[in-house]
Amino acid sequence: DAKTTQPPSMDCAEGRAANLPCNHSTISGNEYVYWYRQIHSQGPQYIIHGLKNNETNEMASLIITEDRKSSTLILPHATLRDTAVYYCIVRVRVNSGGSNYKLTFGKGTLLTVNP
Amino acid sequence: NAGVMQNPRHLVRRRGQEARLRCSPMKGHSHVYWYRQLPEEGLKFMVYLQKENIIDESGMPKERFSAEFPKEGPSILRIQQVVRGDSAAYFCASSPPQDHGSEQFFGPGTRLTVL
Repeated sequence: DAKTTQPPSMDCAEGRAANLPCNHSTISGNEYVYWYRQIHSQGPQYIIHGLKNNETNEMASLIITEDRKSSTLILPHATLRDTAVYYCIVRVRVNSGGSNYKLTFGKGTLLTVNP
Repeated sequence: NAGVMQNPRHLVRRRGQEARLRCSPMKGHSHVYWYRQLPEEGLKFMVYLQKENIIDESGMPKERFSAEFPKEGPSILRIQQVVRGDSAAYFCASSPPQDHGSEQFFGPGTRLTVL
């Protein structure tokens, strides 16, 4: 199960920042938060991930609250091509004590960027 | 470096036939994951494989579905005696061995239609 809660949809104006929230109140201390997006009918695309500290890359920024119970993905200047379903995922260990992990996708947030 | 490749991209089968979906991971990746996406729904994890081993198959239906990732060649997801409810997009992802299960790279998917 996903262990995350996201709003089903959001709108954003082109050129503005898009802030996508995610709640993960049951996250454990060593579990990472990952963000992927899926543009219509394509395979999901990795965006960013983090554990405790805020992270930034060429695509987005990830802000994780101090208690780690929620996070926000920020697309600084949204474009029409950023319209997609955005998934917030908590990475979980497959086997106790092992180093294999899997990603469990929820329903995500459909972000629509409007001209 | 070619990305994750899946074939066929589209597959049409009649009820009762077998469907074989192939996935070639990225070069150097030894971990493969299969997901299913029903129309208008999110991705559902099916199975996680390492070369010649099944790491986690908790998302696989108990009957008719099987997966393998042989030492040589692509990973195969096999669906026997397909039914209309198997119609979906099937996505494969791969990850490198040094960071299991985290940044997964997805293929373009195989769209299965059961008539």
